[in-house]
Amino acid sequence: ETLMTQSPATLSVSPGERATLSCRASESIDNNVAWYQLKPGQAPRLLIYGASTRATGISARFSGSGSGTEFTLTISSLQSEDFAVYYCQHYNTWPYTFGQGTSLEIK
Amino acid sequence: QALRQESGPRLVKPSETLSLTCSVSGGSTSRYYWNWIRQSPGKGLEWIGIYYSGSTNYNPSLKSRITISVDSSKNQISLNLRSVTAADTAIYYCASQRGYAYGFDSWGQGTLVTVSS
Repeated sequence: ETLMTQSPATLSVSPGERATLSCRASESIDNNVAWYQLKPGQAPRLLIYGASTRATGISARFSGSGSGTEFTLTISSLQSEDFAVYYCQHYNTWPYTFGQGTSLEIK
Repeated sequence: QALRQESGPRLVKPSETLSLTCSVSGGSTSRYYWNWIRQSPGKGLEWIGIYYSGSTNYNPSLKSRITISVDSSKNQISLNLRSVTAADTAIYYCASQRGYAYGFDSWGQGTLVTVSS
């Protein structure tokens, strides 16, 4: 199976600044990557699919890039509601797998 | 707005079967692929399996114990996980996928299932 490795595990950023989250696949997965935001007690939210396409209703502050094995989620001008845990996921082949998550914390 | 809501017993005994239902509103189940995902306490997300166009595909680590099915007349997706142990304690989510080239665009809030005697 294709493993997804996220870095860093924890990222501390000040409100208003930019956050860059990374995800690496153990083999090429073309652009079949999605990013999700998780908050306790809430339904997970799809942010990005196809590596760089924002999901419906997602702020332009969220952007994704990458192809092959290296992917990045960038959140510009962090707002208080952005502090959460973020997961990357590939859907290139079965079984789908997720990264271990990056916890984005307020600095 | 499309909604997905998981339901089922919150407590299951070891060796028994965990059975959950995902109720769908705001669209027919036939329009989507359907996935189950879980998150064990303090851990990350684990994909359990998918139902798509009458077929299924399961995580190899769980394949021998899982059945996912869809009842289109009730707009519901079901998950059965047999012979559970404490390691199956988790928040279980259902999520829809528009097709093979898309992420999971709509999730339920999840339901915590505890395996304990």
